[in-house]
Amino acid sequence: SAVISQKPSRDICQRGTSLTIQCQVDSQVTMMFWYRQQPGQSLTLIATANQGSEATYESGFVIDKFPISRPNLTFSTLTVSNMSPEDSSIYLCSVEANTEAFFGQGTRLTVV
Amino acid sequence: AQKVTQAQTEISVVEKEDVTLDCVYETRDTTYYLFWYKQPPSGELVFLIRRNSFDEQNEISGRYSWNFQKSTSSFNFTITASQVVDSAVYFCALSRTDKLIFGTGTRLQVFP
Repeated sequence: SAVISQKPSRDICQRGTSLTIQCQVDSQVTMMFWYRQQPGQSLTLIATANQGSEATYESGFVIDKFPISRPNLTFSTLTVSNMSPEDSSIYLCSVEANTEAFFGQGTRLTVV
Repeated sequence: AQKVTQAQTEISVVEKEDVTLDCVYETRDTTYYLFWYKQPPSGELVFLIRRNSFDEQNEISGRYSWNFQKSTSSFNFTITASQVVDSAVYFCALSRTDKLIFGTGTRLQVFP
């Protein structure tokens, strides 16, 4: 299994600012995933982050808006840039270990 | 393309009733994994089960059971003798090797 620590757990931010979300895993993993869950919606994959290479973004998500870092095999950050109220969501990081998908507790972001 | 459909948006039952949550998926892959997750009001995703495409055996875990039928591309989830603590949003998800594709979720409300 994998234990994921994600922070902050929640934040309220002003529009136009940026927030960086951290994700720490207790074991080395090849891929880390960032998902967004808008209010009352399902989870949508933002990007896949591999260590040592640029993240791969899904359709509708761009690096300028959601820059991702992956400095090592246990850590990743997602930044939500130039926020607007539409970015209010839960952001979750996820890792795969032994074909199982584990999720962090999520970051509940509110943009005002 | 891969797709997961959870046609039931919301289900309400009274405690001790049995309830089945439907999940229908689409994929062209022969090897894939199916998941069920529970998301209680607190927001975290709780892993319930993973099933690979070559294992069609039904599974029972306590009050939970899953019925996987490749012929109908369905992976339904049944809660027997539901309890108030089962109230949550339940997501079905499909994975080939890495990222998860989620259904839109079914909100289950169990009333005392």
